[in-house]
This record gives sequence, C-alpha cells and structure tokens, in this order.
Amino acid sequence: DTEVTQTPKHLVMGMTNKKSLKCEQHMGHRAMYWYKQKAKKPPELMFVYSYEKLSINESVPSRFSPECPNSSLLNLHLHALQPEDSALYLCASSQAGNYGYTFGSGTRLTVV
Amino acid sequence: AQTVTQSQPEMSVQEAETVTLSCTYDTSESNYYLFWYKQPPSRQMILVIRQEAYKQQNATENRFSVNFQKAAKSFSLKISDSQLGDTAMYFCAFAGSNYKLTFGKGTLLTVNP
Repeated sequence: DTEVTQTPKHLVMGMTNKKSLKCEQHMGHRAMYWYKQKAKKPPELMFVYSYEKLSINESVPSRFSPECPNSSLLNLHLHALQPEDSALYLCASSQAGNYGYTFGSGTRLTVV
Repeated sequence: AQTVTQSQPEMSVQEAETVTLSCTYDTSESNYYLFWYKQPPSRQMILVIRQEAYKQQNATENRFSVNFQKAAKSFSLKISDSQLGDTAMYFCAFAGSNYKLTFGKGTLLTVNP
C-alpha cells in the first residue's frame, strides 16, 4: 500500500459545527503532516507529527486541533471555523522527513 | 529560514516539445533535499523528481530531469517530449533538517496540442 487516504473528500460545515478530517497511511511512515492550501497558492504547513508526537505547530489557531492516535492515523478536529478557513486540506506522510513526502488527495472544506 | 522562488507564474509548451521550469532557493544548511511536485486539477500532489544535495549527479525520471547547481542554489526541471497529461501546477520544494517542506509559489504549465 503506497497511498495516503483522506476522508471525506468534500465537507461543508457551518461556523458552529464540529467536524473531523481523517488521514490514514500503511507505509510505515513515522512522520505525518497537515497542510492547508488556498486556491492557486502553494500548500502551507500546519502541523507535523513525528513518532506520534506533535513536533511542529505553525501557530495555527486553536479552532484546529490535530490528533495522532497511532502511527497510521492522523486526525484534524475542526470547531467554530470561519469562512476564511475554507480551503483544501492535505495530509502527507514521510519516512524521515527527507525522503519524499506522499500526499493524500485532500479534503475540500467549505465553511458557510 | 529557507525560501524557494519560482519566477515563472505561467508557461506553455507545444505537445512533444521541451520546456524548462526554473527554481531558486536560499538556505544555510549543507544537507537538504529538493523536490518537484506536480498538482493537476484533480488536486493530488504527485512527486515528480527528487534531488539530494550531497549528490552531484542530476536526477532523472523518464522524461523529467533536473539541472541542480548547488553553488548557484538553482534547481530547474526539464520536461522532454511534453504530453497533454503534463498540464498541471508544478511546485518546487525544499526539505531540510526540521521535517518542514517549503514550497515555491508554483508554475502553471499548459501543454497545447
């Protein structure tokens, strides 16, 4: 299995909703990442987990809450989002950070 | 902090021709990796080619090759025999010792029939 699987592919949520994005990989990668990508812009790093511990938080607002329950799974919990948080959210994984990152196909999030 | 610069927001090429996408970067690290990623409208970020900084030999993957000039901090991508399926946004990216993948702003490549 050489894929990173993200669910759901599309999500529409209201500003008072609570939802979660899920990311799963079975390649034995020990680093996992969340990126946010606005239209026609490069991905921006949000969080890095290394060996299931949060190693980098790029000053992301607390309405985004990451979780890494085990080495194969990464979640992003969403609460009280704003319309400007609408974007493509990409998950990625890597063996050691420097060997090439495998990306999922993303979750297209719309906040209404 | 590392920076990655792609100076060509958009490019176009005729099918079967060759095109080169430019990328420069800035870093104080001596060991790092450079990447080219392709993102078609389907939005999947696909690794095209990877170069390790300590390797002097330029990486190649089928129709894709790079010109890595470490002293000049330049990392250009050459696509030979362009195909319609090569139409996509291309991102140059840098990874150093802190696990962070830093992207350039991207170059939108259109292959015309």
